[in-house]
Parts: sequence; structure tokens; C-alpha cells
Amino acid sequence: SQQGEEDPQALSIQEGENATMNCSYKTSINNLQWYRQNSGRGLVHLILIRSNEREKHSGRLRVTLDTSKKSSSLLITASRAADTASYFCATPKSGSARQLTFGSGTQLTVLP
Amino acid sequence: NAGVTQTPKFQVLKTGQSMTLQCAQDMNHNSMYWYRQDPGMGLRLIYYSASEGTTDKGEVPNGYNVSRLNKREFSLRLESAAPSQTSVYFCASSLGLDFNEQYFGPGTRLTVT
Repeated sequence: SQQGEEDPQALSIQEGENATMNCSYKTSINNLQWYRQNSGRGLVHLILIRSNEREKHSGRLRVTLDTSKKSSSLLITASRAADTASYFCATPKSGSARQLTFGSGTQLTVLP
Repeated sequence: NAGVTQTPKFQVLKTGQSMTLQCAQDMNHNSMYWYRQDPGMGLRLIYYSASEGTTDKGEVPNGYNVSRLNKREFSLRLESAAPSQTSVYFCASSLGLDFNEQYFGPGTRLTVT
């Protein structure tokens, strides 16, 4: 069963625009991670946010976490064609912190 | 450092055949994982090994076996392949502590006919 679910399933924007993806989850967590997957490749870790953090930045990425709403968002600013990829949120499996449960992802397309 | 490597990259099997997917990591990580990814879905955990000498079932273990050969290597075996096992398989590793990111290999694309 999936813990996190991303929204939207697909997003298409112009280069230079910002892209926002959301993740909702069901049970209490102590951290949430975002990963990127380029077509035909493995996943690459982007950022981890802990439950006591509300916002975290890494370069052009900004992640927020609202534990009261059980949701997180990933913002990519000034997007580039190279940002075209699938983005997944991952949360610890309930009862097994070292296992991650992945959502089905948001497919982001950045048009040049 | 090569990170996480997987072999083979592609494989076609006939129903009933067996094969072993190999995975190795050179980051001295304690934990290793096998996932499968099907179109339009996220990753589903097949088996994982929290540390050398231990293995545990994940969400979808049926039809698979694993071996944690040593700290570096974690293999996934399909004893009698079925078309439902057509998928892309990813191996991953992590330090094995809580709040750990996972590092993924490039994947093995398996087709069972």
C-alpha cells in the first residue's frame, strides 16, 4: 500500500517557470524524502526534510512539510529543460522506519 | 566510486526460466534493497537487507529470493519467471541508520515472455 501520493500526476511548464509538486501521506512520519528519476535511470535523492522542520532549501529546490495536513510540496524555481524527470516523494513505512514507501510520482516536462 | 552497480542491464526470459540479478555497492553501506517499478507506479519493495547476514520481505516478495552475499553484494533470484514479473528492477543501498537517503543503481529491465 502506498503511503505517499504525488499530485499532479503530470505537469508541463515552460523553461524559466516554477514547478510545484505536492505529496500527501496517511500516517505520522519522522521524515520525508524527495527523489528524481530521469527517463531510463535510477532514482536520485534530492532532499530530506525531518518532521520538526517546516521548510528546507537546496539550490533551486524548496521543500515544505505540513505535518498537521500530512502533506509536503516540492518547488523547483526557474526550471530548465534538464529538470524534465519524474519526481517521487518517499516516506518511512509505518512500523519500519528503514523501509521507504514511494508514491507513483509526478512527471514533469519542461519545454524549451 | 562506482556507487551501486547492477547486472545485467537488460534480460529476456521465457516463462519458467530462472535467473539472478546482481547488485554491488562500494560505499560501505549496511542496508541494501531490491525494488520493482511498473509503468505508472512508484517503486515497490521486494526484499531488503538491513545489515550483512539479514534479509526481510518487503511488500511484494512472492516469486523472489535474495542472498546478501557479503556487505557489498545483494542478489535477487527469480526461480521460475512469470510474465507478471516483467518489470524494471532497482537495487539501492543506504547507510542503514534512520533518516537515511537511498542510493540507486541504474536498473535491470526484465521481460518475461
